[in-house]
Amino acid sequence: QQQVKQSPQSLIVQKGGISIINCAYENTAFDYFPWYQQFPGKGPALLIAIRPDVSEKKEGRFTISFNKSAKQFSLHIMDSQPGDSATYFCAASQASGTYKYIFGTGTRLKVLA
Amino acid sequence: DAGVIQSPRHEVTEMGQEVTLRCKPISGHNSLFWYRQTMMRGLELLIYFNNNVPIDDSGMPEDRFSAKMPNASFSTLKIQPSEPRDSAVYFCASREGVAGYNEQFFGPGTRLTVL
Repeated sequence: QQQVKQSPQSLIVQKGGISIINCAYENTAFDYFPWYQQFPGKGPALLIAIRPDVSEKKEGRFTISFNKSAKQFSLHIMDSQPGDSATYFCAASQASGTYKYIFGTGTRLKVLA
Repeated sequence: DAGVIQSPRHEVTEMGQEVTLRCKPISGHNSLFWYRQTMMRGLELLIYFNNNVPIDDSGMPEDRFSAKMPNASFSTLKIQPSEPRDSAVYFCASREGVAGYNEQFFGPGTRLTVL
């Protein structure tokens, strides 16, 4: 029940296309869902995050869509660029309390020029 | 701010040797996390500390692994004895406060190779 399932494992998209990464969780106590971006040789860094009181959050070309009833959330990267090529991790946590993140297994995105 | 500092950045050792990884969290951050990243298992949480106290070590693989946080500005992860299957990138992350919605800031990682 603590798992966060992430798909696909890898993704290749043409420049200008839309990249979509999906995550699903079981624990209904989770109420905070961040996405982290990791470039080769670097540590992950926070990209965007959402709480379940909204169904969508957009920051520039990056959008999180959240479906509370289905216990699913996804990251959409619009107008994907070669500079977006990285590994993306979804995570889930409980906003209150001294809680840890449960990370998905990661998606390796490659955007072709 | 210099961010989370980890040392060494690369470590190559032989099976059976003791390995110590070091982390300096961002000043003022109350929580510290140790993660291990491999291709097969992704990013796994090993242990985390709040206010220098270990809160959850359920991710520590076995007794060969130990972690300490003697003060707010320093933590170590020790593997003794090391085995080839311990080869991975180990990340330290820190967080301001203890709330689950606060951002975790990751260090650059230590790439460990056990021969």
